Amino acid sequence: SQQGEEDPQALSIQEGENATMNCSYKTSINNLQWYRQNSGRGLVHLILIRSNEREKHSGRLRVTLDTSKKSSSLLITASRAADTASYFCATTPKGYSSASKIIFGSGTRLSIRP
Amino acid sequence: GAVVSQHPSWVICKSGTSVKIECRSLDFQATTMFWYRQFPKQSLMLMATSNEGSKATYEQGVEKDKFLINHASLTLSTLTVTSAHPEDSSFYICSAINSGSLGETQYFGPGTRLLVL
Repeated sequence: SQQGEEDPQALSIQEGENATMNCSYKTSINNLQWYRQNSGRGLVHLILIRSNEREKHSGRLRVTLDTSKKSSSLLITASRAADTASYFCATTPKGYSSASKIIFGSGTRLSIRP
Repeated sequence: GAVVSQHPSWVICKSGTSVKIECRSLDFQATTMFWYRQFPKQSLMLMATSNEGSKATYEQGVEKDKFLINHASLTLSTLTVTSAHPEDSSFYICSAINSGSLGETQYFGPGTRLLVL
């Protein structure tokens, strides 16, 4: 069963605006990752945040993690047309490593309007 | 580094035939590989864990006789969809763990799109 539920399911914004996607999960985790998937393609790993971290940055990406609320957010700043894709959060349950178990969320389809 | 390839990238077959999909780790050895299935506009669902030199571990609800997995070497795992039916049409993605690293993440292949007519 899916561990993560993402919100919103679909998001359409104007190029240049910021995009925020949220992920909620059910059980304690070891870490949480965000992936991007262009239509019909494989996954691109974006960022990993550990359970003892609260925020992480990578270029235009900012990820937050609130383990008390069992939620994470992915912020993409200054969006570009190339950011159009589906974004998935993926959790590794406590007691596992990412090498042994990853559970994907339902995903958010992001569309950037030119 | 840590590149995973899949072959073929897409395949169309007739109902009742078997289809083999290959997953290769190109620049590292992988004792463990994973097979996922993704239906349109849905998330990835883990099908099975492929272990080099031993039997695969299947997730609940996945028929092991339907989806045969062979992990005969440290760089190759194959998924064979036997007697494929239209409902098996899906996007199949594999991932691999770099045995030489801390193994903090899985490296994903580009996926194989299967269409069963």
